[in-house]
Amino acid sequence: NAGVTQTPKFQVLKTGQSMTLQCAQDMNHEYMSWYRQDPGMGLRLIHYSVGAGITDQGEVPNGYNVSRSTTEDFPLRLLSAAPSQTSVYFCASSSTRGQGQYGYTFGSGTRLTVV
Amino acid sequence: ELKVEQNPLFLSMQEGKNYTIYCNYSTTSDRLYWYRQDPGKSLESLFVLLSNGAVKQEGRLMASLDTKARLSTLHITAAVHDLSATYFCAVRNDRDDKIIFGKGTRLHILP
Repeated sequence: NAGVTQTPKFQVLKTGQSMTLQCAQDMNHEYMSWYRQDPGMGLRLIHYSVGAGITDQGEVPNGYNVSRSTTEDFPLRLLSAAPSQTSVYFCASSSTRGQGQYGYTFGSGTRLTVV
Repeated sequence: ELKVEQNPLFLSMQEGKNYTIYCNYSTTSDRLYWYRQDPGKSLESLFVLLSNGAVKQEGRLMASLDTKARLSTLHITAAVHDLSATYFCAVRNDRDDKIIFGKGTRLHILP
């Protein structure tokens, strides 16, 4: 089925460990982004990409890296996990054709706990 | 820096009543989005509003956009319990293409 696939769905990390959250979409969307969702804070933008080879920082980029080597994949790397990074992470993609007339398609989310 | 504010953040209402959720934003934009999130689930797209005066309706929900006032509204008509969810607005910054979300409005409709 077409859509945005996030893996893993759940993860527990120890403080200081690193890991990569995977995100892949098969809709040929140019625009991809990562958000974190914390209670009472809505969704906050971590990093985003308007196309392969182009990435930029969002509202809360510290502690995270991204790359966009292909149109389909947009992995999010946690360099050295901290308890403050405990959150639900969503990857989303959208088409930029038609001047942004399409909303995001969201992945199912990754629930990350850092202990 | 683009700021997006929603109000109210929490709304409890009776079935059959009408109500409006407001979304204000701080910089120029002509692309505004509304999403719905059920508890423990991901977000789904409801409306995309692309120009001043745009109005879209789906069932009991109607969204509008006033770019001059930097304001969008999501109006609920004759609420039913199935509309209980958290509703988010999001705005695309014309300058840097960032899409920034409001904090969400948690809507609880009492049967």
